[in-house]
Amino acid sequence: DIVMTQSPDSLAVSLGERATINCKSSQSVLYSSTNKNYFAWYQQKPGQPPKLLIYWASTRESGVPDRFSGSGSGTDFTLTISSLQAEDVAVYYCQQYYSSPHTFGQGTKLEIK
Amino acid sequence: QVQLVQSGAEVKKPGASVKVSCKASGYTFTDYYMHWVRQAPGQGLEWMGRINPNSGGTNYAQNFQGRVTMTRDTSISTAYMELSRLTSDDTAVYYCARVGEFGSGSYYSYWGQGTLVTVSS
Repeated sequence: DIVMTQSPDSLAVSLGERATINCKSSQSVLYSSTNKNYFAWYQQKPGQPPKLLIYWASTRESGVPDRFSGSGSGTDFTLTISSLQAEDVAVYYCQQYYSSPHTFGQGTKLEIK
Repeated sequence: QVQLVQSGAEVKKPGASVKVSCKASGYTFTDYYMHWVRQAPGQGLEWMGRINPNSGGTNYAQNFQGRVTMTRDTSISTAYMELSRLTSDDTAVYYCARVGEFGSGSYYSYWGQGTLVTVSS
């Protein structure tokens, strides 16, 4: 199984400041024949299902504010929120869908400082 | 618009089984894989498996092999997840999630609202 490890486990950032969450996979999720990273980021607020933010490592889902961006390739990935808003308080999960089981990171709790 | 509507909360005794449904609308049900993910209270997301609604083919996580069965009824655009031999460790919210692109290797664009399953004697 591919193990996904996020850092940090929790993060407190001031409103308007940048927030950065990292995710490392135990093996590459870059599929050579498609040159795509089978990697996604989700946001989950209390009492709600996860919401897709980023897929193929850097493609923003329709309707997601452009302050959210994803980067990285192979085994190391980053989610950046360029200017934190109050509504961004949530738990963020990374996921690989390169191979079964489709594993998730343990989650990063983002709060306002 | 795509919608996934799951069945209501369940309370089960240890050793029993539970069957959760996920009714899809707003798209051609057989065109997109459906996955099941669970989340224990205060914990992270755990992938359980997936079903190809077109063929009925399934792929289960090793942790659930022998206890989980995923099926579908194409006539009513509904996917099902049945989990047997329940223990208190199975207390969780269970989600169905539809992939965003055709094929098995895809992210999850749409999620059901979740079904809370509580296992208690």
